[in-house]
Amino acid sequence: DTGVSQDPRHKITKRGQNVTFRCDPISEHNRLYWYRQTLGQGPEFLTYFQNEAQLEKSRLLSDRFSAERPKGSFSTLEIQRTEQGDSAMYLCASSPAPQGKELFFGEGSRLTVL
Amino acid sequence: AQSVAQPEDQVNVAEGNPLTVKCTYSVSGNPYLFWYVQYPNRGLQFLLKYITGDNLVKGSYGFEAEFNKSQTSFHLKKPSALVSDSALYFCAVRLTGYSTLTFGKGTMLLVSP
Repeated sequence: DTGVSQDPRHKITKRGQNVTFRCDPISEHNRLYWYRQTLGQGPEFLTYFQNEAQLEKSRLLSDRFSAERPKGSFSTLEIQRTEQGDSAMYLCASSPAPQGKELFFGEGSRLTVL
Repeated sequence: AQSVAQPEDQVNVAEGNPLTVKCTYSVSGNPYLFWYVQYPNRGLQFLLKYITGDNLVKGSYGFEAEFNKSQTSFHLKKPSALVSDSALYFCAVRLTGYSTLTFGKGTMLLVSP
């Protein structure tokens, strides 16, 4: 299967700890997105990369959140000093140019902060 | 700014009956519109999209959607529902010239045998 893969699928951590999620997009896709989904809500945009450049960040992305895509392939999303409100499903998606193309989502990484 | 509204939290339909899941959007330009489906503890799967052209769009698993510019709607439809269609459905909009999708809150579709 050459779809979008995310790791880990589940992460349980204590408040105040740092966590990192990894996303491997579909190989020929130059665009990569991070979304957050909480129970009963639709996915909310966090940030977007085109190749290695981070082109857009949501106001939802506080200073504790950082995302990278160093070589324009895989991406990481790090959350520092986690809070209980960070508990959510973190979804990664990728797409090719041009703009009309749909996003292809991974299975998500579920974070539980105790 | 762009936004999507899915006015129904849940839609109930009997197997074999037609189904409609509603979506309205608000954008200041020409939209790209999408429908996705999500099964429990899974990611989102693409169903169909409207970019331009024919207002009736056909997608995966027998689903279709009709773009109505005057009513700013993009309702998802299927002529005959299956129990296996039971899932969470999301409508999304992307404004031309922008790269991010904005999603609605989702509508849970429950198809009873």
